[in-house]
Amino acid sequence: GQNIDQPTEMTATEGAIVQINCTYQTSGFNGLFWYQQHAGEAPTFLSYNVLDGLEEKGRFSSFLSRSKGYSYLLLKELQMKDSASYLCAVRDWDGSNYQLIWGAGTKLIIKP
Amino acid sequence: DGGITQSPKYLFRKEGQNVTLSCEQNLNHDAMYWYRQDPGQGLRLIYYSQIVNDFQKGDIAEGYSVSREKKESFPLTVTSAQKNPTAFYLCASTRLVPPNTEAFFGQGTRLTVV
Repeated sequence: GQNIDQPTEMTATEGAIVQINCTYQTSGFNGLFWYQQHAGEAPTFLSYNVLDGLEEKGRFSSFLSRSKGYSYLLLKELQMKDSASYLCAVRDWDGSNYQLIWGAGTKLIIKP
Repeated sequence: DGGITQSPKYLFRKEGQNVTLSCEQNLNHDAMYWYRQDPGQGLRLIYYSQIVNDFQKGDIAEGYSVSREKKESFPLTVTSAQKNPTAFYLCASTRLVPPNTEAFFGQGTRLTVV
């Protein structure tokens, strides 16, 4: 079946680095997305990986290993505004339609 | 500016009433989605549509209905058959063909049954 796993909650310190992991099981993998969602707001797009390797965007980086069904989001130089939920989503082809499968999200708490 | 617009932001409904949530996009995206999010939970798919005049049920379609008469519009009706409709509703749209297939979200509608 299709499944995405992420840790429920993580805590980190302002200025530090944190890595949020995502593992997935899908049949027709077609790309992996990371989104940030602040409480009470809509998710916003952070990054996209479709090939193995690291994609870097400023303080945020995302890594993908398709053979391991694994991705991580790396956040550097943490700021208080990074306190949010981080959602991992996989685009999957089921033979007739593209599906977006969502993880439950990781709530990241930043402490001063 | 291109984007996706949901309205209203807050909505109150009496028990037994149907209510319709609006979602409009001017991104020329083929696919549109409705999600429900309960406090502290992830996104659950209600309905999605990849072409005009066609839509498919998601994981929690019972008590909801949609239409896709225009590419730009994908309204969601929460019917009286939905037993626990109080939630945060999110509409999203995507391209189907790469590149740039990331989902764009509306601001969300917070529905409360009173």
